[in-house]
Amino acid sequence: ETGVTQTPRHLVMGMTNKKSLKCEQHLGHNAMYWYKQSAKKPLELMFVYNFKEQTENNSVPSRFSPECPNSSHLFLHLHTLQPEDSALYLCASSQTSSGSYEQYFGPGTRLTVT
Amino acid sequence: AQSVTQLGSHVSVSEGALVLLRCNYSSSVPPYLFWYVQYPNQGLQLLLKYTSAATLVKGINGFEAEFKKSETSFHLTKPSAHMSDAAEYFCAVSDAPGGFKTIFGAGTRLFVKA
Repeated sequence: ETGVTQTPRHLVMGMTNKKSLKCEQHLGHNAMYWYKQSAKKPLELMFVYNFKEQTENNSVPSRFSPECPNSSHLFLHLHTLQPEDSALYLCASSQTSSGSYEQYFGPGTRLTVT
Repeated sequence: AQSVTQLGSHVSVSEGALVLLRCNYSSSVPPYLFWYVQYPNQGLQLLLKYTSAATLVKGINGFEAEFKKSETSFHLTKPSAHMSDAAEYFCAVSDAPGGFKTIFGAGTRLFVKA
């Protein structure tokens, strides 16, 4: 595997379910990000981790719970979601020490909440 | 605070015509600026970046962008559109140390007519 991978690619869940999204980066980067991409809205930054430590929580509801066990893996645990949470969830990584700041994105997980 | 405005949510050009996608930014410090492209069912991919070196930046697939400080603009151009350029394009700005807080524009969808 190369780059940033995300599983599953598609997920349909009921409002009472619990599920998790997984992201893995194979680039040796130190920072990882979760974004939410909804139709007709700008990309929303949800969480940022730097060397496994959370550095940003952009007022995300507690029904979204991130976990970063190491610099290569990032999870987003989901529970009691709402229909408005249906969106494409993108994971990204970057090497912040390089000074170039660009982010590398995974293909995303298309989440549908029923 | 930093912000990005992309003018035009949709742009349509004929194959072989000039592509011009507009981006204006706001930043309190010299910014890092990016253009990303997103093809259907994929994550975002870096097209090019400005990091205070040359003001004219060349990217992949024949795209380039010019940083104009006086106009706070970073417009994306390509001399001759190809059908494969049809995608959504995002301008982004980052001025925070480490680049953890990258702000994305709302996106411009490019249509290419045969």
